[in-house]
Amino acid sequence: SQTIHQWPATLVQPVGSPLSLECTVEGTSNPNLYWYRQAAGRGLQLLFYSVGIGQISSEVPQNLSASRPQDRQFILSSKKLLLSDSGFYLCAWAGLAGVNEQFFGPGTRLTVL
Amino acid sequence: AQSVSQHNHHVILSEAASLELGCNYSYGGTVNLFWYVQYPGQHLQLLLKYFSGDPLVKGIKGFEAEFIKSKFSFNLRKPSVQWSDTAEYFCAVITTNAGKSTFGDGTTLTVKP
Repeated sequence: SQTIHQWPATLVQPVGSPLSLECTVEGTSNPNLYWYRQAAGRGLQLLFYSVGIGQISSEVPQNLSASRPQDRQFILSSKKLLLSDSGFYLCAWAGLAGVNEQFFGPGTRLTVL
Repeated sequence: AQSVSQHNHHVILSEAASLELGCNYSYGGTVNLFWYVQYPGQHLQLLLKYFSGDPLVKGIKGFEAEFIKSKFSFNLRKPSVQWSDTAEYFCAVITTNAGKSTFGDGTTLTVKP
């Protein structure tokens, strides 16, 4: 069966520090991968999605970047965090070229102080 | 660009009341449609989905949704809600050509016992 992992679960970082959140998927090949930010009352905002290794689509101009170094690994990064980067970050995967349902990870709660 | 609009931000019902949550989307091409649910403290999970065929789809826990193409709508319904249906509900679309997803802002449902 497929599983999706995210770490860390929670993170507190100072403004200006770098960020690296990791997401890995097991039990499937060539998934579409997604990074979302979930804010209360604002649903899920799609940040990045990837249809294959090294292929990243950015949806919202911002202080973050994403990379997919391996088929089942998706990394969300920042060189210098801003206060506004605080939030709950979700990773998800989907099969069938991404047009099927998405499966979500447990999320990372990021607080930037 | 695609967008998803959920009409109700917060719905409060008594047990046994009927539920209908509105969802409208905007996109010029073909999409697959989904409703996800997030119970308190749990991951997002799929409630039901529509790809093609019968526009009335049934999901888990007695939920159903109807796709009305002419109205670009995919409303969620349940004839009789239970206290355990208290959760946040998200409507989502995925474009079939690129696998790009868009979620609505979510509707918080509170069912009073």
